Amino acid sequence: DGGITQSPKYLFRKEGQNVTLSCEQNLNHDAMYWYRQDPGQGLRLIYYSQIVNDFQKGDIAEGYSVSREKKESFPLTVTSAQKNPTAFYLCASSQLPGQGTDTQYFGPGTRLTVL
Amino acid sequence: RKEVEQDPGPFNVPEGATVAFNCTYSNSASQSFFWYRQDCRKEPKLLMSVYSSGNEDGRFTAQLNRASQYISLLIRDSKLSDSATYLCVVTQRSNSGYALNFGKGTSLLVTP
Repeated sequence: DGGITQSPKYLFRKEGQNVTLSCEQNLNHDAMYWYRQDPGQGLRLIYYSQIVNDFQKGDIAEGYSVSREKKESFPLTVTSAQKNPTAFYLCASSQLPGQGTDTQYFGPGTRLTVL
Repeated sequence: RKEVEQDPGPFNVPEGATVAFNCTYSNSASQSFFWYRQDCRKEPKLLMSVYSSGNEDGRFTAQLNRASQYISLLIRDSKLSDSATYLCVVTQRSNSGYALNFGKGTSLLVTP
């Protein structure tokens, strides 16, 4: 089945620790995105990537880092510098804008809680 | 002014009712428009794209008014299973990049 997967589904972290969230897609999409969603809030873009080995900051990149070593994978690291990391993290992928539909498909999300 | 604004609701309607959601966007250069549905504690899922000519998918009808920078979603004959949050999504493309802006969502509760 084609799709986008995220792991783990739930993650607990102590303050001061870095943690990496996994995102994998087999949709052959060039573009991948990370969002965070807080209760009662819309999605906010953290980082996005349109090609391997390249990525761009979104609206709230501070305290986060990403890598794009493979087309299929776009892991997100939540660093200890992120002041309020408890949130629902969503990964998405799409065809490149302008080369097909803009539709983004989302993974099931990772719910991160900092203790 | 926020890029994409939606009435947060909640909209409480009885089964079988017709309900309409509105969404306004601030960037006149916006190019693509979507409605996503998000169930509690789940990821958003595409409900439908929105075209200038309007489009319909079963009980759902989406309309776009570029002049007024306004998008709507109409749900007819509401079902209990329609209870969810509906997200309005607007994209802009430019030489410098690509932006996708989400509204905060409108919450719908369909009751028996």
